[in-house]
Amino acid sequence: SQKIEQNSEALNIQEGKTATLTCNYTNYSPAYLQWYRQDPGRGPVFLLLIRENEKEKRKERLKVTFDTTLKQSLFHITASQPADSATYLCALDNPTDSWGKLQFGAGTQVVVTP
Amino acid sequence: DAGVIQSPRHEVTEMGQEVTLRCKPISGHDYLFWYRQTMMRGLELLIYFNNNVPIDDSGMPEDRFSAKMPNASFSTLKIQPSEPRDSAVYFCASSQLGAGNQPQHFGDGTRLSIL
Repeated sequence: SQKIEQNSEALNIQEGKTATLTCNYTNYSPAYLQWYRQDPGRGPVFLLLIRENEKEKRKERLKVTFDTTLKQSLFHITASQPADSATYLCALDNPTDSWGKLQFGAGTQVVVTP
Repeated sequence: DAGVIQSPRHEVTEMGQEVTLRCKPISGHDYLFWYRQTMMRGLELLIYFNNNVPIDDSGMPEDRFSAKMPNASFSTLKIQPSEPRDSAVYFCASSQLGAGNQPQHFGDGTRLSIL
């Protein structure tokens, strides 16, 4: 069966350091992979999208990599700030499934301390 | 621009009661998604619509759940009768197109508690 795995343990990191989150998947061949941020009591907010033929994507302090051989995406927050504290979810499409359907990982909580 | 609007934000009701959750998607978005989020199961897609037509309802857990989209600016998710295990946060999301390369825009959810 198809599975998406993100670290279930919270990532505690000091302000200014780089946070690296992992999204692993099995039995998928996604064309796209997306990352979202979710704050307590709020809905997920889209951050970045990367295509299967892209190795890396950047947006301000965020960087995403996508390795279709390893079936893994890494999400980096550089120069982290306390405001980056949130839960980060990865989401994959499945071209063999219904068009437009995304499946989400469980998310990894990031806590940035001053 | 207004985002996805959900109501109510919180709902507490007793087992057996009918619950109706409401969603107004972003204007111009052709796809609307209903998700449920719990600690145990994470964010699960229940059903989604394209141009007001249900496309995939394979995530709807039981016949007690139903969803409608009578027009492009309104959708409902109904649970009848409700059970304690339905307690969760229910999110509505919309996107301009339905491809995996389109971001989904989420509302802030309805926190549902069934006693």
